[in-house]
Amino acid sequence: ILNVEQSPQSLHVQEGDSTNFTCSFPSSNFYALHWYRWETAKSPEALFVMTLNGDEKKKGRISATLNTKEGYSYLYIKGSQPEDSATYLCAFYSGNTGKLIFGQGTTLQVKP
Amino acid sequence: DSGVTQTPKHLITATGQRVTLRCSPRSGDLSVYWYQQSLDQGLQFLIQYYNGEERAKGNILERFSAQQFPDLHSELNLSSLELGDSALYFCASSVTSGRGNEQFFGPGTRLTVL
Repeated sequence: ILNVEQSPQSLHVQEGDSTNFTCSFPSSNFYALHWYRWETAKSPEALFVMTLNGDEKKKGRISATLNTKEGYSYLYIKGSQPEDSATYLCAFYSGNTGKLIFGQGTTLQVKP
Repeated sequence: DSGVTQTPKHLITATGQRVTLRCSPRSGDLSVYWYQQSLDQGLQFLIQYYNGEERAKGNILERFSAQQFPDLHSELNLSSLELGDSALYFCASSVTSGRGNEQFFGPGTRLTVL
């Protein structure tokens, strides 16, 4: 059974704080790691797709790193804003199954 | 707006019934994915179609089936519905079926089985 685990489950920070979360995934049969942002009452929206070990991606104040050998990815948010409040999902694309397996997500609440 | 449309938005039905959920992918996307999100679980992959053919299958029950039509829209059929089938069903699409393709999610169909 392929397991994708995210930690922490939830996080409350103050506006302006920087934060990071972890996604752990199987290190074998790695094909890609996706990060999605899911706001309440909306649908998940892609942030990054990472395919190479050592990949680093950045979009505004949000960045992500990837270590496929040890099976983890970090998502960083610099200077959190209330509009960053959402659930952040990572998903592991397994080469031998051809499917995207999602973690349970990290729910971020940014207080003004 | 991701460009993926799903209908209906909400569906309330009774146990034992059959329903059809519809999805239109973004223009130009050939791949369609179906996901189920129940209260106590994260997003669960059900099935993927690419250009009309089934490409990957997840934990999809035998009571559920899907297809992708020549115009690339897809339908998910759920039959002999049980209370536990109540969930949010998402459709997503991507340009191809490759690993590097981000998926664009529709707004979802909330199914309630009474």
